[in-house]
Amino acid sequence: QKEVEQDPGPLSVPEGAIVSLNCTYSNSAFQYFMWYRQYSRKGPELLMYTYSSGNKEDGRFTAQVDKSSKYISLFIRDSQPSDSATYLCAMSASSGTASKLTFGTGTRLQVTL
Amino acid sequence: NAGVMQNPRHLVRRRGQEARLRCSPMKGHSHVYWYRQLPEEGLKFMVYLQKENIIDESGMPKERFSAEFPKEGPSILRIQQVVRGDSAAYFCASSRGPETQYFGPGTRLLVL
Repeated sequence: QKEVEQDPGPLSVPEGAIVSLNCTYSNSAFQYFMWYRQYSRKGPELLMYTYSSGNKEDGRFTAQVDKSSKYISLFIRDSQPSDSATYLCAMSASSGTASKLTFGTGTRLQVTL
Repeated sequence: NAGVMQNPRHLVRRRGQEARLRCSPMKGHSHVYWYRQLPEEGLKFMVYLQKENIIDESGMPKERFSAEFPKEGPSILRIQQVVRGDSAAYFCASSRGPETQYFGPGTRLLVL
């Protein structure tokens, strides 16, 4: 079983839709949770960063973490064609020193006109 | 503000040659990480370095791969005697400390 599971998609939605992306994980030591966006043949771009459980909002993006269920989500409101990309969840078990990230395989999102 | 810089962006090597990938972290960042991304797969951690020290190399293949982050200059990921299975995108990330990592554009290695 992988430490981080993520539905690879592809997920196709019309412009303006609300998108929900999710990851589950098995390692209860994970405390830091991130979402990255990766356009084709580019490097991952950090979108959201959260620590432990709770919600965080930044513009059209909302990240949720439920540590009791080992489940994290990214919501995108009013989706745009420019949101078409692969979305990667990542997490780490930092104990106060910098730590490696464990990634999901990514969900490919296509926002259509 | 320059982000994480990687070069070359594309590298072609024949089997048995050596590949050297370079990474310059963001200004003020002293932590460097290397990840590998195979086609249709997520990023896999390889190694974490601070200046002149390897902190965690648990993701590095035992043979042919090495990494360094000298006191002066960029971090180097070195792959000796490359094989076709080494073809992948190699990403470098940097951070200031125990927080978010920022990624470079990657080096795409193709082994013929």
